[in-house]
Amino acid sequence: AQSVTQPDIHITVSEGASLELRCNYSYGATPYLFWYVQSPGQGLQLLLKYFSGDTLVQGIKGFEAEFKRSQSSFNLRKPSVHWSDAAEYFCAVGVGGTASKLTFGTGTRLQVTL
Amino acid sequence: NAGVTQTPKFQVLKTGQSMTLQCAQDMNHEYMSWYRQDPGMGLRLIHYSVGAGITDQGEVPNGYNVSRSTTEDFPLRLLSAAPSQTSVYFCASSYSTGGESNEQFFGPGTRLTVL
Repeated sequence: AQSVTQPDIHITVSEGASLELRCNYSYGATPYLFWYVQSPGQGLQLLLKYFSGDTLVQGIKGFEAEFKRSQSSFNLRKPSVHWSDAAEYFCAVGVGGTASKLTFGTGTRLQVTL
Repeated sequence: NAGVTQTPKFQVLKTGQSMTLQCAQDMNHEYMSWYRQDPGMGLRLIHYSVGAGITDQGEVPNGYNVSRSTTEDFPLRLLSAAPSQTSVYFCASSYSTGGESNEQFFGPGTRLTVL
């Protein structure tokens, strides 16, 4: 069965520092990959997605992610973090040949210090 | 567009009570789904629907029923609430199940506590 692993439960970075959130997936076929962000008490917002083509994808709010098939990874990056980026981040894989039936990782909570 | 709306925002139930969580979308999306979010477990798929009249089970369907009589609405029913169903419930919708332009839109969530 498919699975998504986010090894970091909690990360703290200083404002202005770079950020990388790790995501590893297990899925037999070509995956659809997503990163979502959830602010406290809010729903989920899509940051970016990978379906095919260029393995470096750009998203909203200055985020990017790189798909590495050989490492089964889809890590999220941002060159300079802002205090407003503090939130919980979820990596997800679309399974069953659909981009809509998602399996989520357990999430990484990002804290930003000033 | 209101997007995906969920009611109520908060609900407290006693064990054994039943209730329906409402979900509606005004984007004419074919695909709708329900997830539950529990601490340290991410979101898990409960049920989903690929169109009116068609539903299927997700990863954690036990204790929940769904139906899809219209494109817009996808209610989630708890037949006999249990404390293990204490969670935050999210409804989501998307235009279709595939395609590179596809994106799921999530509602704001319903926080349910079962005593």
